[in-house]
Amino acid sequence: GEEVAQTPKHLVRGEGQKAKLYCAPIKGHSYVFWYQQVLKNEFKFLISFQNENVFDETGMPKERFSAKCLPNSPCSLEIQATKLEDSAVYFCASSQSTNTEAFFGQGTRLTVV
Amino acid sequence: EDQVTQSPEALRLQEGESSSLNCSYTVSGLRGLFWYRQDPGKGPEFLFTLYSAGEEKEKERLKATLTKKESFLHITAPKPEDSATYLCVPNAGNNRKLIWGLGTSLAVNP
Repeated sequence: GEEVAQTPKHLVRGEGQKAKLYCAPIKGHSYVFWYQQVLKNEFKFLISFQNENVFDETGMPKERFSAKCLPNSPCSLEIQATKLEDSAVYFCASSQSTNTEAFFGQGTRLTVV
Repeated sequence: EDQVTQSPEALRLQEGESSSLNCSYTVSGLRGLFWYRQDPGKGPEFLFTLYSAGEEKEKERLKATLTKKESFLHITAPKPEDSATYLCVPNAGNNRKLIWGLGTSLAVNP
């Protein structure tokens, strides 16, 4: 598609429940990025993919967070056993290369109650 | 340490009142600098990419410039629809490490 599509827009989970977020990158883009925006304008990098391979996972809290980008499927970000501090907006972005601009989706707002 | 500082944090302008937003950065191995605008409840919208000092890009009322340590976003005769948060994002290193600041929140009054 011509834009990054994220689903769902909103997700509410009880503490300890699992949350799964999806992202369809722009067709032809090789790189996919996940960010967490907790406070006003602070973007925290989580993980990036080059096609289906992990490119950089230095931002991922490994205990409960996992992500995949499989061929012919939307990318996904999964949080096992959610905690209150996981409440945030999660953005997915895609780009053609590491030097070019990334285009962002509209985000998934996760609320953990 | 790679970092970016945007100023001012917040700016309120009257419609038609031109101004500039500043982005100061310290980045090793800069591989481009991106400007985005973000509206409340939305994802960042791409505006410009600048790759080298001296480069300028323009789009409607916006013009972005780049030096070795700063980037400016000039807004000429702004309109209320230009109200948004503007984010300056340097791209550092080979592994595409984006350095995020806190942005400048711009409000343009009619």
